[in-house]
Amino acid sequence: NAGVTQTPKFQVLKTGQSMTLQCAQDMNHNSMYWYRQDPGMGLRLIYYSASEGTTDKGEVPNGYNVSRLNKREFSLRLESAAPSQTSVYFCASSVGDADQPQHFGDGTRLSIL
Amino acid sequence: EDQVTQSPEALRLQEGESSSLNCSYTVSGLRGLFWYRQDPGKGPEFLFTLYSAGEEKEKERLKATLTKKESFLHITAPKPEDSATYLCAVPTRRGYNKLIFGAGTRLAVHP
Repeated sequence: NAGVTQTPKFQVLKTGQSMTLQCAQDMNHNSMYWYRQDPGMGLRLIYYSASEGTTDKGEVPNGYNVSRLNKREFSLRLESAAPSQTSVYFCASSVGDADQPQHFGDGTRLSIL
Repeated sequence: EDQVTQSPEALRLQEGESSSLNCSYTVSGLRGLFWYRQDPGKGPEFLFTLYSAGEEKEKERLKATLTKKESFLHITAPKPEDSATYLCAVPTRRGYNKLIFGAGTRLAVHP
């Protein structure tokens, strides 16, 4: 049971480089989410997609873009990475709205030097 | 402002020593409360959903309860494998449809 799969698991970037984080789910969920987790800050929503073809900003969207490629895949792009974007990034999916439980991948640990 | 607060931040227990974790929330129109377990280097793992005051859910040594202002995660006779960070989260309707997460309680169970 794969659930939510994120790639890569680790990445080191230099300031100004770009990168796309990939996420795929095999649970036929409609909604997908991108979070970042920082020490003392908890999980914060970056972007979400309520259904295929739609995306919306979350709490901390600046510096990021997303693409809902199809029902299974939701990618997060950093166009010009900054040290402040060093974090652990989690993708999640759920059947529907936020009143349904979300299921998380194991994260991408991203360091920006 | 919608908010979720968890206490304590960290808890150290001896194996077999039962205790409770607290999650207090302020949100208009509660649409559910979620408990997650997170192991180091892993993503949060869904444990329970509670939808109404008085509801209880159980899984092995864990029992989650819900009141109108808070939720408790009771851990009965914990084992070292229960060591993890426990997160609670509630949906909010403010601005966008999302979950608000608490900062978590780091639980360490020692043999």
